[in-house]
Amino acid sequence: DGGITQSPKYLFRKEGQNVTLSCEQNLNHDAMYWYRQDPGQGLRLIYYSQIVNDFQKGDIAEGYSVSREKKESFPLTVTSAQKNPTAFYLCASSMVGGDQPQHFGDGTRLSIL
Amino acid sequence: RKEVEQDPGPFNVPEGATVAFNCTYSNSASQSFFWYRQDCRKEPKLLMSVYSSGNEDGRFTAQLNRASQYISLLIRDSKLSDSATYLCVVNSETGRRALTFGSGTRLQVQP
Repeated sequence: DGGITQSPKYLFRKEGQNVTLSCEQNLNHDAMYWYRQDPGQGLRLIYYSQIVNDFQKGDIAEGYSVSREKKESFPLTVTSAQKNPTAFYLCASSMVGGDQPQHFGDGTRLSIL
Repeated sequence: RKEVEQDPGPFNVPEGATVAFNCTYSNSASQSFFWYRQDCRKEPKLLMSVYSSGNEDGRFTAQLNRASQYISLLIRDSKLSDSATYLCVVNSETGRRALTFGSGTRLQVQP
């Protein structure tokens, strides 16, 4: 079954700790994206990548980092510099091209201990 | 002004009703448009793309008005299972290939 897998489903972070959210896709998509969603609000773009070994900042990249060493994988690290990390994190992928819709994983809920 | 604006609702309608949502976008160079559906505490799922000539998928009809820069979604014969938040999504060709999501319109279909 082709799709996007995010793990873990729930994650708790201690103050000052970095945590990494996993995103893997087997759809053979070149482009991958990370979004953050806060309660009652829309999705905000954190980082995106159009090709392996390349990625760009989105609207709210501060306090986050990513890597794209493999086509299938786009992990997101929430660093201690992100002071308000509690949110629903969504990973998406798509074919490259402005007319291509994005397909989402089922998300990771991050909370602060 | 937000790049993509939607009425947050909620829209409370009885089963069988017809309901319409509008969405406006600010970038006249936008080329691609989509409607996504998001259930509570779940990921967004693609409902339909929106084409220039308008398109229909069963009970759902999407329209695009480029002159006025708005997109609409019409749902006929509403079902209880249609209750969700509907996200208007636009690709803005501003040098980056990422979609911009509206905040969503919440629909609650009542029995």
